[in-house]
Amino acid sequence: QSVLTQPPSVSGAPGQRVTISCTGSSSNIGAGYDVHWYQQLPGTAPKLLIYGNSNRPSGVPDRFSGSKSGTSASLAISGLQAEDEADYYCQSYDSSLSALFGGGTKLTVL
Amino acid sequence: QVQLVQSGAEVKKPGASVKVSCKASGYTFTSYGISWVRQAPGQGLEWMGWISAYNGNTNYAQKLQGRVTMTTDTSTSTAYMELRSLRSDDTAVYYCAREAYYGSGSPSMDVWGQGTTVTVSS
Repeated sequence: QSVLTQPPSVSGAPGQRVTISCTGSSSNIGAGYDVHWYQQLPGTAPKLLIYGNSNRPSGVPDRFSGSKSGTSASLAISGLQAEDEADYYCQSYDSSLSALFGGGTKLTVL
Repeated sequence: QVQLVQSGAEVKKPGASVKVSCKASGYTFTSYGISWVRQAPGQGLEWMGWISAYNGNTNYAQKLQGRVTMTTDTSTSTAYMELRSLRSDDTAVYYCAREAYYGSGSPSMDVWGQGTTVTVSS
């Protein structure tokens, strides 16, 4: 059971917008620690998608956006494309500076 | 380009130890930390711990305390993760990842190794 809670799966048709939530607590996200998001395509290593709650690394399309409020964070993907089908993980920290991952969300493009 | 290259797959018997390496290139090794993350078959990501490549300070996940040791060799820009007393539930893909700070925020893992499969089986 992960400390950060994500929905196990989400789906959407090409061109649609989907959001993935990441719910924590006052001990992690709510304590002010940033949230980062990673994309893991099948059979590959995770890739940094969003850092510092809402920042995109160079090369990540602006279709991907992140936000944080209180004890939760969200990843939004607009203009859904077939290549976005992957697992998505949120990550933050707790007061012992141990990294925490969400359980992951499988995105299916219909 | 910045990259982390990990050692090859390992097969170990229960009770044995495994040591995985992670060789960095394309950046100043001592300016960043390295985290180790594992992923059991069909499961999510699990953080194992972190080591500073600058001074060797470590922070291990509580559930692995006493079984895991992370080290670095700055002369070869290589990080190592050793896990002892292996059990079947240690079977996983093990990743190293560079930890990057931006401003005053919490670090993210911005570069990942390709992963090393460790299989524990009698």
